[in-house]
Amino acid sequence: AQTVTQSQPEMSVQEAETVTLSCTYDTSESDYYLFWYKQPPSRQMILVIRQEAYKQQNATENRFSVNFQKAAKSFSLKISDSQLGDAAMYFCAYKTGNTPLVFGKGTRLSVIA
Amino acid sequence: GAVVSQHPSWVICKSGTSVKIECRSLDFQATTMFWYRQFPKQSLMLMATSNEGSKATYEQGVEKDKFLINHASLTLSTLTVTSAHPEDSSFYICSARDPEGGYEQYFGPGTRLTVT
Repeated sequence: AQTVTQSQPEMSVQEAETVTLSCTYDTSESDYYLFWYKQPPSRQMILVIRQEAYKQQNATENRFSVNFQKAAKSFSLKISDSQLGDAAMYFCAYKTGNTPLVFGKGTRLSVIA
Repeated sequence: GAVVSQHPSWVICKSGTSVKIECRSLDFQATTMFWYRQFPKQSLMLMATSNEGSKATYEQGVEKDKFLINHASLTLSTLTVTSAHPEDSSFYICSARDPEGGYEQYFGPGTRLTVT
């Protein structure tokens, strides 16, 4: 079974600084998709960024970027110029084409003003 | 982007009663919907996969007779918690896949269930 591991239960970052959240996964598939979701106190799941495994180029969305290392099965999220609104739970997730998302345990990010 | 709604957003029920949660895809037809459960400060755990017109597929350890799932139309899936007990209190989140939109899943806002 596919598993997703987030080894950092909590992280903190100073406002305007950069933070990296770690994620590793285990799969025997060659074609899959990886995601980072943000869950603020409202608990609405918000897609932050996605990466298709067949793409070598790391995905970027404004201040958010990933470091996708397929051979190492690693998928870290970098948040640049951190803002107070970035404070939330962040979940790394994995899926193949038709299977449901499998989530890691999450990392709680605090942003210090 | 695709929108998924859930109703109610918050429900309190007495122990032993049943409660139904609705999940709707508002601007697309969802042949497949997923139900997740999230306990406080924990991750989302998949409960079941709901397919329109067929029986739901439950994850190991999820009681199908307790958590009844009905996907009667392409835009509506329901989760009924039968004979609810306090340990069923949790946050329930549905998610839908748009077959026209590729592989992505879209999430509803969730339903907080409290059983007293």
